[in-house]
Amino acid sequence: KNQVEQSPQSLIILEGKNCTLQCNYTVSPFSNLRWYKQDTGRGPVSLTIMTFSENTKSNGRYTATLDADTKQSSLHITASQLSDSASYICVAAPSGTYKYIFGTGTRLKVLA
Amino acid sequence: GAVVSQHPSWVICKSGTSVKIECRSLDFQATTMFWYRQFPKQSLMLMATSNEGSKATYEQGVEKDKFLINHASLTLSTLTVTSAHPEDSSFYICSARDFASLGSEQFFGPGTRLTVL
Repeated sequence: KNQVEQSPQSLIILEGKNCTLQCNYTVSPFSNLRWYKQDTGRGPVSLTIMTFSENTKSNGRYTATLDADTKQSSLHITASQLSDSASYICVAAPSGTYKYIFGTGTRLKVLA
Repeated sequence: GAVVSQHPSWVICKSGTSVKIECRSLDFQATTMFWYRQFPKQSLMLMATSNEGSKATYEQGVEKDKFLINHASLTLSTLTVTSAHPEDSSFYICSARDFASLGSEQFFGPGTRLTVL
């Protein structure tokens, strides 16, 4: 069964600190893995997209890693800001289909 | 580029009424559009997939007679929640894809908050 699991479910950090969010996926055949940021009451916004051959991808203070062998990905946020408070969703895209497999998300709260 | 809009952004209606939500691709032609529903603190759940000019494909457990989807043009898809009830209150998000030029990338709209009283 295609599945994406994320941890932690929620996280609270102080402004300026770093954090890492985890994603494990069991999706086959695998095409690519995506991280999205979703602000409350808004649609998801793409942060990174990685194919199975890519190990890391950065977007500003966001850095995603992918280990296709262990089927794990992480999203590292550097020097967090209050505006980083949001849900972060890991999405695996199987090849041969248009349907994304969504994780349940990690809700991040950054405190001043 | 690749902007998707939704209208309205929020709507409140009485139980028993029907509500129409529009999803538009503003700067590309969307050969496929997807409708998702998201309950509080949960992830997106795919409801249906629509291809321009053809009937929508609904996910298991989604009532096609309750959630009417029309994809009449390459830039517009509509979701009509018929005879809405309080349990239909949710956040509805659409996404759009133009496989020909943008590959498998889905671009998400900003969502529509539906509250049924």
